[in-house]
Amino acid sequence: GAGVSQSPSNKVTEKGKDVELRCDPISGHTALYWYRQSLGQGLEFLIYFQGNSAPDKSGLPSDRFSAERTGGSVSTLTIQRTQQEDSAVYLCASSLGDSYNEQFFGPGTRLTVL
Amino acid sequence: QQQVKQSPQSLIVQKGGISIINCAYENTAFDYFPWYQQFPGKGPALLIAIRPDVSEKKEGRFTISFNKSAKQFSLHIMDSQPGDSATYFCAPVSGGGADGLTFGKGTHLIIQP
Repeated sequence: GAGVSQSPSNKVTEKGKDVELRCDPISGHTALYWYRQSLGQGLEFLIYFQGNSAPDKSGLPSDRFSAERTGGSVSTLTIQRTQQEDSAVYLCASSLGDSYNEQFFGPGTRLTVL
Repeated sequence: QQQVKQSPQSLIVQKGGISIINCAYENTAFDYFPWYQQFPGKGPALLIAIRPDVSEKKEGRFTISFNKSAKQFSLHIMDSQPGDSATYFCAPVSGGGADGLTFGKGTHLIIQP
């Protein structure tokens, strides 16, 4: 596949459980981004990676959220001790990493915390 | 502080009409002004973008108009079609957006046949 892929597409979990969301960027894209989309907050930037490093973690909502990227490719977003307000669609995007490069978005993971 | 104000929140246009969505910003460091289009169940996709050295950019039926002094830019969809029904987001950035995008709240556009 040529596009950004995310898994799972849907995740239902119970409050207090940990979840891991996965993103496979477009091959060759050095930059990777995580966003969250919810009805109340719209589209929020969470974190971005340039290669394996994350220069800006300021968008992460709390210390329950963490993300990593290994091998300059796949990234996982982990939410610990999930809360109901974490329910949202989590979107991943990738780009060539330079300024003005288009970000290509995946279809997202819909997370529901019961 | 809200950096980006997008309007209207929702818009209904008859087929063949002109759809206009506006975005006002505060940060004068913004140097790249994209519009994204999102269909239900899909991620956003870049539709059209402009840099501040030009006042207008046209791609097919889609036009961005940019007013630097007013700190506003708008998306015009000419001859609107039902397939244009989607949510549209402005996402102005500084530094070309390499470090992430800040999106407007979105405009839900419905084109009635």
